[in-house]
Amino acid sequence: AQSVTQLGSHVSVSEGALVLLRCNYSSSVPPYLFWYVQYPNQGLQLLLKYTTGATLVKGINGFEAEFKKSETSFHLTKPSAHMSDAAEYFCAVRTSGAGSYQLTFGKGTKLSVIP
Amino acid sequence: NAGVTQTPKFQVLKTGQSMTLQCAQDMNHEYMSWYRQDPGMGLRLIHYSVGAGITDQGEVPNGYNVSRSTTEDFPLRLLSAAPSQTSVYFCASSPTGTDNSPLHFGNGTRLTVT
Repeated sequence: AQSVTQLGSHVSVSEGALVLLRCNYSSSVPPYLFWYVQYPNQGLQLLLKYTTGATLVKGINGFEAEFKKSETSFHLTKPSAHMSDAAEYFCAVRTSGAGSYQLTFGKGTKLSVIP
Repeated sequence: NAGVTQTPKFQVLKTGQSMTLQCAQDMNHEYMSWYRQDPGMGLRLIHYSVGAGITDQGEVPNGYNVSRSTTEDFPLRLLSAAPSQTSVYFCASSPTGTDNSPLHFGNGTRLTVT
């Protein structure tokens, strides 16, 4: 069974500071990994998705994520936080293989940006 | 291009009432799914469909019913609402639902059961 752990339900950073949101996954086979962002009262939007063979994945709005197989991690980063980045972020995993449809989400990390 | 459209946006039900949450997508996606979002719980899969006429259960299917008669529509039925079903419900679709095919989400339905 696959699972996702997001460390920290709430992270606060100052405007202009580095954003680091942590995601660790548990999967018996190499998974497919995603990061989504949710702004208040909206649905989830795709930030980025892992591409097989890549180590660093670039997404929208200046975000990127590094895949580390040895650490089973897919942490999300952004060099310089902007006020508009304040939102909730979800890491998600889908197991590879035929018939594998379920996308499992972490519990989310709410990012606050302090001016 | 509307994407995934959910109606209604808000709903209040009394315990025991039934209702249908509507979901439609105009992207010709084969895969559609329903999630519920509760504080501190992330999103949990209720039911999903890999094509017209095919549905399957997710992680939390009890108390919910679905059908898929067309590619575009995937309604979620609450047969007898309970306070535990108070939640925000999201419909999501994907071209295939497998591999690195991402989900496209609607804006959600906020349901309160009293």
